Amino acid sequence: NAGVTQTPKFQVLKTGQSMTLQCAQDMNHNSMYWYRQDPGMGLRLIYYSASEGTTDKGEVPNGYNVSRLNKREFSLRLESAAPSQTSVYFCASSGLSKGTEAFFGQGTRLTVV
Amino acid sequence: QQQVKQSPQSLIVQKGGISIINCAYENTAFDYFPWYQQFPGKGPALLIAIRPDVSEKKEGRFTISFNKSAKQFSLHIMDSQPGDSATYFCAASNRGSQGNLIFGKGTKLSVKP
Repeated sequence: NAGVTQTPKFQVLKTGQSMTLQCAQDMNHNSMYWYRQDPGMGLRLIYYSASEGTTDKGEVPNGYNVSRLNKREFSLRLESAAPSQTSVYFCASSGLSKGTEAFFGQGTRLTVV
Repeated sequence: QQQVKQSPQSLIVQKGGISIINCAYENTAFDYFPWYQQFPGKGPALLIAIRPDVSEKKEGRFTISFNKSAKQFSLHIMDSQPGDSATYFCAASNRGSQGNLIFGKGTKLSVKP
């Protein structure tokens, strides 16, 4: 039982490059989330998907897009990476209700140079 | 912006001592208050959670104290151990309106042997 799996674990991008962070969960959860974690800032919600086929902006959505490919997968895309997007990105999922226990992946450490 | 304020930012405790981390919230509609534990290089994991109909919840050495009138809740770690050294996040949500988890900024706990 893998839980929430994120790929890649590490990535270095040049400014202006694009990339997609992948996330998959095997817990049959409806809700999925993308957070970024920066020193002293805690976990800030980028986008979330309350159910398959729906996505909504969180606290810090600028510069990102998401796709809820199916119930298991939720991807985060950076179209034109900027140094300000250097961060650790976490995908999470939660069960039938939003706002309940969230299960997190191991994170993707992204550096934009 | 709904907020959860967490203090202190960092905490150093001797082995065997009590670690106390505090959080305060603004939105009286919040009805779920979890604490997450995060080790370096890992994603956050749920440690313990409480609902506002109780004032205290204990699981092993970890206790949440909840003060509804003051809109505050705290995590107490009894007999702190070096293995407890991690970053701790409080969070809150309004499950009734399917609100997302709002996280505090985190407390880095170091337990000295």
